Amino acid sequence: KAGVTQTPRYLIKTRGQQVTLSCSPISGHRSVSWYQQTPGQGLQFLFEYFSETQRNKGNFPGRFSGRQFSNSRSEMNVSTLELGDSALYLCASSLPAGGPNEQFFGPGTRLTVL
Amino acid sequence: SQQGEEDPQALSIQEGENATMNCSYKTSINNLQWYRQNSGRGLVHLILIRSNEREKHSGRLRVTLDTSKKSSSLLITASRAADTASYFCATDTSGTYKYIFGTGTRLKVLA
Repeated sequence: KAGVTQTPRYLIKTRGQQVTLSCSPISGHRSVSWYQQTPGQGLQFLFEYFSETQRNKGNFPGRFSGRQFSNSRSEMNVSTLELGDSALYLCASSLPAGGPNEQFFGPGTRLTVL
Repeated sequence: SQQGEEDPQALSIQEGENATMNCSYKTSINNLQWYRQNSGRGLVHLILIRSNEREKHSGRLRVTLDTSKKSSSLLITASRAADTASYFCATDTSGTYKYIFGTGTRLKVLA
């Protein structure tokens, strides 16, 4: 079974621009979560989607948004980029809820904001 | 703020030795998971322990959970150079699907 894939793997943007990151979960997985990882703040939860619905979100400004499509693929968007948005963005998928599940992580998208 | 705090922040041991890292959290949890991350790449799930469990084993890994102390520990026995990585605990509070990760322990195993 193919793992979680994220595109692009690397991205360089300038302040004020916007960016869209994509995540394809493992086949059959319907839950997708997004995390931001920085050296200073560590791994922080952004949001989680299940069946195209956002079930939970972290403490990030409204510039961070996401969505999930009917095939469970997910995108996250960051508008009006700031230098502090430079980070590794990780996507994770898991099986449908019904109990605690392990998350399978993708390799991440490394975003650099200049 | 981070739910989980791990200690030590960094640990350096010789191959063959055991490595123990600890995770403390602040609120009641539904379950706790441990993950490994190599050099800024994606995380790999190691083990999940539910709030009603006290100990779990998986190969050379042993995880304990003490809900009264709100803490967990991960023991890696007979460590290998390939175990060099950062290790994170992640907690799920009451099945909210919102996993909160700890600060991580950087483990270096010297050959």
